[in-house]
Order: sequence, then structure tokens, then C-alpha cells
Amino acid sequence: GNSVTQMEGPVTLSEEAFLTINCTYTATGYPSLFWYVQYPGEGLQLLLKATKADDKGSNKGFEATYRKETTSFHLEKGSVQVSDSAVYFCALHLIQGAQKLVFGQGTRLTINP
Amino acid sequence: EPEVTQTPSHQVTQMGQEVILRCVPISNHLYFYWYRQILGQKVEFLVSFYNNEISEKSEIFDDQFSVERPDGSNFTLKIRSTKLEDSAMYFCASSEVLGGPGNTIYFGEGSWLTVV
Repeated sequence: GNSVTQMEGPVTLSEEAFLTINCTYTATGYPSLFWYVQYPGEGLQLLLKATKADDKGSNKGFEATYRKETTSFHLEKGSVQVSDSAVYFCALHLIQGAQKLVFGQGTRLTINP
Repeated sequence: EPEVTQTPSHQVTQMGQEVILRCVPISNHLYFYWYRQILGQKVEFLVSFYNNEISEKSEIFDDQFSVERPDGSNFTLKIRSTKLEDSAMYFCASSEVLGGPGNTIYFGEGSWLTVV
């Protein structure tokens, strides 16, 4: 089946620390991969995406590289800010077949000043 | 930037009552979706809708649920007789025509449903 597994949270870091949130996937086809972010009290916002192997998605200082050989799409940021505190969701989308996203369980990130 | 809009943002309803959640997808999008997120749990797919019919639904989407596109802009989710376990954040989403890689699905801000 298709599934996404994310690093267990919550994650708490100090401002300017380096962030990695791990994400691995299982898919029957060749998925596109996404990171969505949910800030407190808000909905899901697309953070970045990658559609094929070795693609790097980036936005707002966050990056993630599509690694087909390790079936991973880890989210990284070099220097986090308090405003990055949110829940981060890794998701896959299969191009063929069902037009739907399969989400990971979400990782809650808290950044302390 | 175009966005998906949802109403209401929060609704409290009594068990057994009917609820309609409304959504206005992005105007040139043709695929529409409902997802839900029970507090503290994963975001789960409920249903996708294309060309005025359901294209796929999950096992969560039982006979209590229905979707409709009553006019050219709105997309609704109806829960006929709400149960306590229907309490969740319901997200509407939309995307362009299926066909290319990285077809992004855009989400609304959600409608928080509380069943008491």
C-alpha cells in the first residue's frame, strides 16, 4: 500500500538551530512528494514539493530532496525562527490512479527564543 | 494568490443533526476534495469529486456523507446525522486537471465541527 512515516514529535529547538524532520514513504507507483505546514489556528499550506527523483523543493528557507533510493523526503532548515513553530506534514501524491494525498502523522515543531 | 475558502470556520451541532460544510474552490480547478483531521490525528482523505460525480471515496465516507456541487462555484459536504466521532477539522481542497506530475492540491483553512 501507500504510506508516509514521519519522525515522531514533538520537536523543540532553540532559535537559529538546524532542523531536520525525517520522512520516508512507501508507494506502489512513482509519487510526487510534498511538505505541508499547519500554523496554530490555521489550515494546511503547501510548503514545498518535488515531483521526481533528485528534485529539491525549497521555500522560506526550508528544503527537501526527493531520494528515490532511500524513499525519503527529509525536511531541513539551516536556522529556524520562532515563527516556524507549526505542525509539519509530509505527504505523497500518486500521479496515476487515485487523485489524493496520503499524509504522514505530522510533526509538531516548537521553536523557543 | 487564489485560494480555497470555507464556511463556517467553526460549527457546533447536536448529535443526530444534519450539517452542511461549504467550500468555494479555486476558480479554474476541476478536482475537488474533502479531507478531515480528528484532533491529534492524521489528515485523512474522504472523497474526491470530478465532472459532477465522486471519483473516489474512502471507507470513512459512508452513507451518512454526501457531496454536491450545487452551482458553478460551491462545493458542499453534508453529514446527514452527525455522531460524536464526526467531530474534526474538515478541509476542502481543489486541484487542476489530473495529468501532470506534481499536480498540487490546495487546501482551505478548514471548518472545525464539534458534535455534542
